Amino acid sequence: EVQLVESGGGLVQPGGSLRLSCAASGFTFSSYAMSWVRQAPGKGLEWVSAISGSGGSTYYADSVKGRFTISRDNSKNTLYLQMNSLRAEDTAVYYCAKDQGRGYSYGDYYMDVWGKGTTVTVSS
Amino acid sequence: DIQMTQSPSSLSASVGDRVTITCRASQGISNYLAWYQQKPGKVPKLLIYAASTLQSGVPSRFSGSGSGTDFTLTISSLQPEDVATYYCQKYNSALFTFGPGTKVDIK
Repeated sequence: EVQLVESGGGLVQPGGSLRLSCAASGFTFSSYAMSWVRQAPGKGLEWVSAISGSGGSTYYADSVKGRFTISRDNSKNTLYLQMNSLRAEDTAVYYCAKDQGRGYSYGDYYMDVWGKGTTVTVSS
Repeated sequence: DIQMTQSPSSLSASVGDRVTITCRASQGISNYLAWYQQKPGKVPKLLIYAASTLQSGVPSRFSGSGSGTDFTLTISSLQPEDVATYYCQKYNSALFTFGPGTKVDIK
């Protein structure tokens, strides 16, 4: 069974940092691009970042560019999101999602499996 | 950047009704569009990709159409379990933006 389990969320002060992890199982992790999507309380889905299967290509929403870094360790089947300079508006549930293909083309970047999410709260 | 809009923002329909949701891109995106369903308190679920291809296991009452800038998601006969918010997402180029969502409930 394909499974994604996020961890690392919590309460952090504005300006602080947090690293989210997503442990993947049930599929060949390195063969698929992966994405992070967030959802602020009572709001819609916001795509945050994506990374190709090899890790060689990364993409970021304008709202997080320069503050967040996506990475992956294919030997550990784990996806990461390093979040720095956090702001109140980064408060959200962060979902890890498996994309449909390796990420060789943009056409691979839609999400067919989602984790349950981890909550990040940025507040003093 | 390409902007995604959806209409209506919410709708209320009766069981058995045909429901249509529209998604519009500010520039052409060919057929690089996916639709997701998020039930209250649940994780999003992929319904349709490539504008009109039904994801495995999704009921056939769901269908998608469109290309370029205008897309539709249709539920041919609304069921109580279809109460959810529906999102479109473009993936023709980075950024892989979602639409604002359409909330569907039962009248």
